[in-house]
Amino acid sequence: ETGVTQTPRHLVMGMTNKKSLKCEQHLGHNAMYWYKQSAKKPLELMFVYNFKEQTENNSVPSRFSPECPNSSHLFLHLHTLQPEDSALYLCASSQDRDRHSPLHFGNGTRLTVT
Amino acid sequence: AQSVTQLDSQVPVFEEAPVELRCNYSSSVSVYLFWYVQYPNQGLQLLLKYLSGSTLVKGINGFEAEFNKSQTSFHLRKPSVHISDTAEYFCAVSDQGAQKLVFGQGTRLTINP
Repeated sequence: ETGVTQTPRHLVMGMTNKKSLKCEQHLGHNAMYWYKQSAKKPLELMFVYNFKEQTENNSVPSRFSPECPNSSHLFLHLHTLQPEDSALYLCASSQDRDRHSPLHFGNGTRLTVT
Repeated sequence: AQSVTQLDSQVPVFEEAPVELRCNYSSSVSVYLFWYVQYPNQGLQLLLKYLSGSTLVKGINGFEAEFNKSQTSFHLRKPSVHISDTAEYFCAVSDQGAQKLVFGQGTRLTINP
């Protein structure tokens, strides 16, 4: 059982739709992350939030818009996506950005853009 | 910038056989090393980590890894695998904190009966 919960588990959307992915962590962590996992590619870090402040944006296209209202919740708002954005989107949390803190992952949202 | 190479994209082994999954990283400065496992339809789960101290690190499910600084390697081993170990395994390294964690491309471990 994971302390990081992601919803929905699966999402199919058209290129003109707007949808949001939700992540909630019950571990009392201060840092939260969005990763993209595509077939045959390493995990790609998208965004990092530490104490609700965005500290990393890895050149992610503006059609992906993160929101972190508090240290326990993280959203990824999606609009006008492309088929190549189809992937598994993983949320993670850690105690903070400190190097000794391992990441705790949710089970992901499998996104398909049609 | 750090990089991580997992030398094998797929490793098939028979049940109860030993296995080694290889991982090499690029930098020789102080690093922190991790192995994660991803079971089908799940997120990644921490198997073990090396922060400092003994170079032989023991993790969950009978796995262990050895940090070799001179060879910049952190290979994962298990003396006897089970069907339930079928999963994808990711090596990761950081020298600047959790937000700078760099993952390898993963090794798919398949256990045959």
